[in-house]
Amino acid sequence: DAGVIQSPRHEVTEMGQEVTLRCKPISGHDYLFWYRQTMMRGLELLIYFNNNVPIDDSGMPEDRFSAKMPNASFSTLKIQPSEPRDSAVYFCASSLWGEAHTDTQYFGPGTRLTVL
Amino acid sequence: GENVEQHPSTLSVQEGDSAVIKCTYSDSASNYFPWYKQELGKGPQLIIDIRSNVGEKKDQRIAVTLNKTAKHFSLHITETQPEDSAVYFCAATNNFGNEKLTFGTGTRLTIIP
Repeated sequence: DAGVIQSPRHEVTEMGQEVTLRCKPISGHDYLFWYRQTMMRGLELLIYFNNNVPIDDSGMPEDRFSAKMPNASFSTLKIQPSEPRDSAVYFCASSLWGEAHTDTQYFGPGTRLTVL
Repeated sequence: GENVEQHPSTLSVQEGDSAVIKCTYSDSASNYFPWYKQELGKGPQLIIDIRSNVGEKKDQRIAVTLNKTAKHFSLHITETQPEDSAVYFCAATNNFGNEKLTFGTGTRLTIIP
């Protein structure tokens, strides 16, 4: 398997613009997570999905952030409008609960977002 | 909710020596404790994990110990090598159908050749 795939790997945008980050989880995994990593706040869970349904979005910082998972193989995290304080590395991770209860979260390579 | 504290934030050890990173957690219901390694420019990767019904687990040069009474767990790396240099994160969760992990703040480990 190719692992978790994220695109783009780097994104530079100007304040006020819309940003869309994309994630393809590992095939067959039923959980998908979006994290944000900054020096100041470390790894923060933003939202996670189970079987394409959002379970906990309490980590989403504000209404400018939204996430969708239209099917089992694709998810997006959108920021509109973007602000300089949104600059961070955004990770997508997936895991398989199922019968194995393996718990392991597999992370993608991340998207480094810079908002000017 | 769960709170995980991790120490130290930075650690430098001579190649060949051992490194120990410690974490404490607050939720007594937590029962799954993974450790992740993050290399520069990459996402975190699981290196070892432990469940609450086990006190210690070892995988070659890496071991994890768990003390549920004291609510702390530790990562031990023996015979350190330059490729062990990275940021290490501990995490905890109550995995009864809830996959939400709470991460520690990370330890930057530097192996001195």
